[in-house]
Amino acid sequence: DSGVTQTPKHLITATGQRVTLRCSPRSGDLSVYWYQQSLDQGLQFLIQYYNGEERAKGNILERFSAQQFPDLHSELNLSSLELGDSALYFCASSVGVLGSYEQYFGPGTRLTVT
Amino acid sequence: TQLLEQSPQFLSIQEGENLTVYCNSSSVFSSLQWYRQEPGEGPVLLVTVVTGGEVKKLKRLTFQFGDARKDSSLHITAAQPGDTGLYLCAGDLFGTSYGKLTFGQGTILTVHP
Repeated sequence: DSGVTQTPKHLITATGQRVTLRCSPRSGDLSVYWYQQSLDQGLQFLIQYYNGEERAKGNILERFSAQQFPDLHSELNLSSLELGDSALYFCASSVGVLGSYEQYFGPGTRLTVT
Repeated sequence: TQLLEQSPQFLSIQEGENLTVYCNSSSVFSSLQWYRQEPGEGPVLLVTVVTGGEVKKLKRLTFQFGDARKDSSLHITAAQPGDTGLYLCAGDLFGTSYGKLTFGQGTILTVHP
């Protein structure tokens, strides 16, 4: 158990819909990262937050957005869903920005868009 | 083109054999991590290497970071069925935002009893 929690575990929804994925980092960790994992693309970095502020952006679509709240939990919002958005979405956390190369991953949310 | 190239992509061996997985890049990394992932679960951090030429051992697993910090290898001695899984290398590029990890495409290892 990494100490990172993600909900829900599974999500099935239709095209065009909007969903919210939730992540709680390990106790004491200030940085949260979101990743997408699909069979053809592998594990892709989406976005990073540190203590409530966005710090780095990766290959995140404009239809996707995220935020980190004062209690440090984070949410990833996916809207206007397409079939190709079906994937595993992982959240990871680390202590902070500097020297924080060790990330601990949650169990993931499997999103299926039908 | 992958920034981190892992090889081989698939490895199927018998219990007791040794194996090496490679992770190569033309770019320099501040650090490199190795993760193991089982189906339907999140990647689990195995090790982090930071210094060029560094060698770390974790029981039967030996990790090496290249002198130029552009490549790494994972060697498993006397593989066991419990070693089966997806092995991922990941690094944060030197000079970029800390924590923005770039992952290799992974090596699927199957160890047969």
